[in-house]
Amino acid sequence: DQQVKQNSPSLSVQEGRISILNCDYTNSMFDYFLWYKKYPAEGPTFLISISSIKDKNEDGRFTVFLNKSAKHLSLHIVPSQPGDSAVYFCAASAYSGYALNFGKGTSLLVTP
Amino acid sequence: DADVTQTPRNRITKTGKRIMLECSQTKGHDRMYWYRQDPGLGLQLIYYSFDVKDINKGEISDGYSVSRQAQAKFSLSLESAIPNQTALYFCATSPGPTTGELFFGEGSRLTVL
Repeated sequence: DQQVKQNSPSLSVQEGRISILNCDYTNSMFDYFLWYKKYPAEGPTFLISISSIKDKNEDGRFTVFLNKSAKHLSLHIVPSQPGDSAVYFCAASAYSGYALNFGKGTSLLVTP
Repeated sequence: DADVTQTPRNRITKTGKRIMLECSQTKGHDRMYWYRQDPGLGLQLIYYSFDVKDINKGEISDGYSVSRQAQAKFSLSLESAIPNQTALYFCATSPGPTTGELFFGEGSRLTVL
């Protein structure tokens, strides 16, 4: 049963515009959330995270927003660049020490 | 050199064969993981190990086994490979509680004919 859901398999955005990737979760025990980025033929790499005590975390062009009541988080990329084209995975964990649960990923294409 | 190294990077095998995927890390992390990626299914946890004496099943452990030979080494075995185990396999490490970052290897692509 998928506890972390990314319902959009793909997203296409023009260079310079905002990319918004969404993620929903079902397990109320999750309280730490991460986004990973994956290029073809490479392993996923960590992008940004947020704990449940915050509702926003920003790192340069990347911002993650968390809405605990809705069990929803989103990743905003502003401005989008062609090099951002990759698969983005949302992941979540609980402080129980279990491993990360990943969503299915969203493939982002940023066009010039 | 990569901090998390997986071998082989690509492997084609036949149904019924025993396959081992190896992972070694130079990050000094206690925690190691094996994930599987299938198209459209994201990353699914196979096994994880929080230290050399601690091995735990993940969500899709059937048909797989693991061995934690040392802090730096964590291998995944398919005792009798079947075609639906064709996938991209990732090893990952983390320094502590899983609230933090996982560091992934580059992946091992396995094809079972």
